[in-house]
Amino acid sequence: EAQVTQNPRYLITVTGKKLTVTCSQNMNHEYMSWYRQDPGLGLRQIYYSMNVEVTDKGDVPEGYKVSRKEKRNFPLILESPSPNQTSLYFCASLSHPSASEAYEQYFGPGTRLTVT
Amino acid sequence: AQSVTQLGSHVSVSEGALVLLRCNYSSSVPPYLFWYVQYPNQGLQLLLKYTSAATLVKGINGFEAEFKKSETSFHLTKPSAHMRDAAEYFCAVSWAGRNKLTFGTGTQLKVEL
Repeated sequence: EAQVTQNPRYLITVTGKKLTVTCSQNMNHEYMSWYRQDPGLGLRQIYYSMNVEVTDKGDVPEGYKVSRKEKRNFPLILESPSPNQTSLYFCASLSHPSASEAYEQYFGPGTRLTVT
Repeated sequence: AQSVTQLGSHVSVSEGALVLLRCNYSSSVPPYLFWYVQYPNQGLQLLLKYTSAATLVKGINGFEAEFKKSETSFHLTKPSAHMRDAAEYFCAVSWAGRNKLTFGTGTQLKVEL
């Protein structure tokens, strides 16, 4: 079954304690992306990756890091979490049917992070 | 700058009534448009997408949307609401060759008996 998995699904942590949210896809997609969802703001892109070792900032990258050492994995790293990073995080994997079509994104189940 | 606007953060309908969720985009080039649904405590599921083929797009669960270039709109409709349709709905836009989705702020749909 084609899927995007995220771990953990729920996380409560304290300010400044480094954490990593993992994301893995089994569809051999080149493109992956991280979003955060906040009430009234919809989803905003944090970082994206076009391939192994190729990453770039999205709209709200401050306070986050990513890495892409393998095609299937795209972890999100918060080196010093702060309360304003309390949010619902989604990883997405992108299919690319053809050069003329839009990318269709497959979303993971989400990770609810609370930073106290 | 390209953007997408969803009018109405909360919409309430009676079971069996028409569902209309509004989405307008701002773009200087033709976009690709998507509707996603998020059920409580779940991830995002693609309802339907417009990619420059037919302007009336049918999706899952009886939903459909019509792309109207003159109105820069892509409103989501369903003729008869069901209790199981209660969820949050997101309109999103992208462009050819771009890997980024720009989302609207979401509309929470409530279905009442």
